[in-house]
Amino acid sequence: DSGVTQTPKHLITATGQRVTLRCSPRSGDLSVYWYQQSLDQGLQFLIQYYNGEERAKGNILERFSAQQFPDLHSELNLSSLELGDSALYFCASSVFEVSLEEQYFGPGTRLTVT
Amino acid sequence: LAKTTQPISMDSYEGQEVNITCSHNNIATNDYITWYQQFPSQGPRFIIQGYKTKVTNEVASLFIPADRKSSTLSLPRVSLSDTAVYYCLVGTPKVDNYQLIWGAGTKLIIKP
Repeated sequence: DSGVTQTPKHLITATGQRVTLRCSPRSGDLSVYWYQQSLDQGLQFLIQYYNGEERAKGNILERFSAQQFPDLHSELNLSSLELGDSALYFCASSVFEVSLEEQYFGPGTRLTVT
Repeated sequence: LAKTTQPISMDSYEGQEVNITCSHNNIATNDYITWYQQFPSQGPRFIIQGYKTKVTNEVASLFIPADRKSSTLSLPRVSLSDTAVYYCLVGTPKVDNYQLIWGAGTKLIIKP
């Protein structure tokens, strides 16, 4: 158990819909990262927040957005969903601002868009 | 922009030493090299991190040559439970354009 929690574990929705994925980092960790992993694909970095502020942005679509709240939990919002958005979405956390340090990954949310 | 190249898959047998090499020809001066392990439907787990020469911990060793254009993850005496995907990660922190690039991963299959 990494100490990172993600909810929900599974999510099934239809095209065009909007969903919110939630992540609670390990106690004391200030950075939260979001990743997308499609079937048999590697990890695609989406976005990172550090202590409430956006720190880095990767291959995140304009239909996707995220935020980190004062209690440090984070939410990833996916809108106008398409079939291709079906994937595992992982959240990770770390203590420091830069991800050169070890990241702790949550169990993931499996999103299925039908 | 550092990119990594790893073998797509590797096979080995229980009790053997396994070496997985990652190429990162464009690695920047301040980059570190990090390896993660991922089991199916689970989040990756940190294995080891290094900058140069050799790093060893209780589960693996990481060898980085002087030019740092590649790195080798060494798993001693593997067991069936080491069957997983192994990712090589090169971190490139910059002020305005932070990049975090993961390799495609190496699927390691350990046979009895």
